[in-house]
Amino acid sequence: QSALTQPASVSGSPGQSITISCTGTSSDVGSYNLVSWYQQHPGKAPKLMIYEGSKRPSGVSNRFSGSKSGNTASLTISGLQAEDEADYYCCSYAGTGTFRLFGGGTKLTVL
Amino acid sequence: QVQLVESGGGLVKPGGSLRLSCAASGFTFSDYYMSWIRQAPGKGLEWVSYISSSSTYTNYADSVKGRFTISRDNAKKSLYLQMNSLRAEDTAVYYCARDVNSFDYWGQGTLVTVSS
Repeated sequence: QSALTQPASVSGSPGQSITISCTGTSSDVGSYNLVSWYQQHPGKAPKLMIYEGSKRPSGVSNRFSGSKSGNTASLTISGLQAEDEADYYCCSYAGTGTFRLFGGGTKLTVL
Repeated sequence: QVQLVESGGGLVKPGGSLRLSCAASGFTFSDYYMSWIRQAPGKGLEWVSYISSSSTYTNYADSVKGRFTISRDNAKKSLYLQMNSLRAEDTAVYYCARDVNSFDYWGQGTLVTVSS
């Protein structure tokens, strides 16, 4: 199976909102409510930001939210801050064969 | 606090072998599934393998199936990845992560470089 599809880059100004899409198929994103999102700053390990599509781990700002429609999941960051500038990856369960698929990643630039 | 510390990375020639380790602390290791995830230089994340809490179930990405073996020692709170028949395209930072249907804790990663 191919990786999930994310835009290569998105940008926004401080205070604005942005949305990053993650498009899969009916075999992965569309079939399971198991999409997660990760933030990765340069040289650092990824950090879990959203799990099970829309849930936030303890300690993650409520400016981060997740949703899903059909085969596409989305991560929305509201009230953009400079510290949000990072790479973001989605990941979906894809069944017992492929098991886990990541998106190609999206570079967020805060202007 | 939860901590995962990988070790064992390094430079290896194509066709060679390497064994990665991940030492866990701060949680009941034997209760959790674990996964290995890798990231080639300048590239995105790729899930590599997972193992169930009691080692009953394992799964591998097609790219490593038949070459890599995941294992764990719950008494030592450690996760392992035996990598054989290494190829240039296996060059990456390898992360271990706690697997709860998402990856909620990650190690800092260990770099594996496959080059002659």
